[in-house]
Amino acid sequence: EPEVTQTPSHQVTQMGQEVILRCVPISNHLYFYWYRQILGQKVEFLVSFYNNEISEKSEIFDDQFSVERPDGSNFTLKIRSTKLEDSAMYFCASSVGSGRATIYNEQFFGPGTRLTVL
Amino acid sequence: EDQVTQSPEALRLQEGESSSLNCSYTVSGLRGLFWYRQDPGKGPEFLFTLYSAGEEKEKERLKATLTKKESFLHITAPKPEDSATYLCAVQANFGNEKLTFGTGTRLTIIP
Repeated sequence: EPEVTQTPSHQVTQMGQEVILRCVPISNHLYFYWYRQILGQKVEFLVSFYNNEISEKSEIFDDQFSVERPDGSNFTLKIRSTKLEDSAMYFCASSVGSGRATIYNEQFFGPGTRLTVL
Repeated sequence: EDQVTQSPEALRLQEGESSSLNCSYTVSGLRGLFWYRQDPGKGPEFLFTLYSAGEEKEKERLKATLTKKESFLHITAPKPEDSATYLCAVQANFGNEKLTFGTGTRLTIIP
């Protein structure tokens, strides 16, 4: 069964360093997402991406964050200068359709990357 | 602002003891309500999507129902492997794509 994959599973970095989290969405999906979950808290939306551009973003997704689809399979989240409060589990998700469609907008999540900022 | 509240926060059941989890929501027009299962340290696993009040969906020992203000996840004769955190999320209408999640119900099934 197709699944979303993410690398690395755990990333440790120093405050102020740049990190890139990588995701391979399900191959026939067109919409891609990043969410994060701080330990013990709810899953929070960061950004959605379609047709090589951001379609929606949350207040959390400020200028420190960027997303890119560098090739036909990968989808990345870059944090330019990490802060202690960026420590969280980051989940990539993908869907065939979106909330604008009538069907197939279920989002399938990857296993996550645990980011620890020291 | 879309809001999702799940109750109880935690639930311990004996194996075979049926119960229900609640998800109440306020949203500016509901596009869909989603149930996910999350195991510790893992990503949410999709279970169900419900689109309109009165809709029901079933999968093995789980049944999800939807009204205009809340959704229930009924678990019938649960087994220890059903132990997980169950997350509810809503997607609002008007072209939004984001899912707004609740904090989840941590379900423990005791053998």
